[in-house]
Amino acid sequence: EAEVAQSPRYKITEKSQAVAFWCDPISGHATLYWYRQILGQGPELLVQFQDESVVDDSQLPKDRFSAERLKGVDSTLKIQPAELGDSAMYLCASSLWGRGGSSGANVLTFGAGSRLTVL
Amino acid sequence: TQLLEQSPQFLSIQEGENLTVYCNSSSVFSSLQWYRQEPGEGPVLLVTVVTGGEVKKLKRLTFQFGDARKDSSLHITAAQPGDTGLYLCAGYSGTYKYIFGTGTRLKVLA
Repeated sequence: EAEVAQSPRYKITEKSQAVAFWCDPISGHATLYWYRQILGQGPELLVQFQDESVVDDSQLPKDRFSAERLKGVDSTLKIQPAELGDSAMYLCASSLWGRGGSSGANVLTFGAGSRLTVL
Repeated sequence: TQLLEQSPQFLSIQEGENLTVYCNSSSVFSSLQWYRQEPGEGPVLLVTVVTGGEVKKLKRLTFQFGDARKDSSLHITAAQPGDTGLYLCAGYSGTYKYIFGTGTRLKVLA
């Protein structure tokens, strides 16, 4: 079964350091999402890509966060400098939307996530 | 801003008991999904409901979409320890985007 790959699974860093997360979506999936999830809470959308274009980054703290999907395949989310409040699970998901999938009833397939701890 | 509030936030029950989780919003959604997430993993889709009043059953799980498409419920019959996890509702908010609810953490004790 196809999976969304994320790395690293765990990252511990000190505040003010830079950190990067990588996501490889399911092959052929046009839409890619980065979510941030505080333990026990629902995921919050940070950025959404359609192929290589950003569709929504309204909740991305742009002073310290950046995201790219240069060739419309894999994606990188970067935080610089990291702050204590950035400690969370960073989830990547992908879906077929934009490849003929109908809106409103599509499946988001999530990766296992990258857990960040900022000390 | 579209918000999805889930209740209860936490639920701890004994094996064999029944439970209901609620997902409420003041906004109308064209469809709603339910996910379950286990510790250290990403959410996994359980069901999608698209029609107001729709009821879907998945073994011991029953999902209902409200008539006005503003709310949904998940009912589990005879809960088992394997049902333990974080349950999330997610409403379609347009432009290929889903908004997730606040989550309900369920623990089923053997």
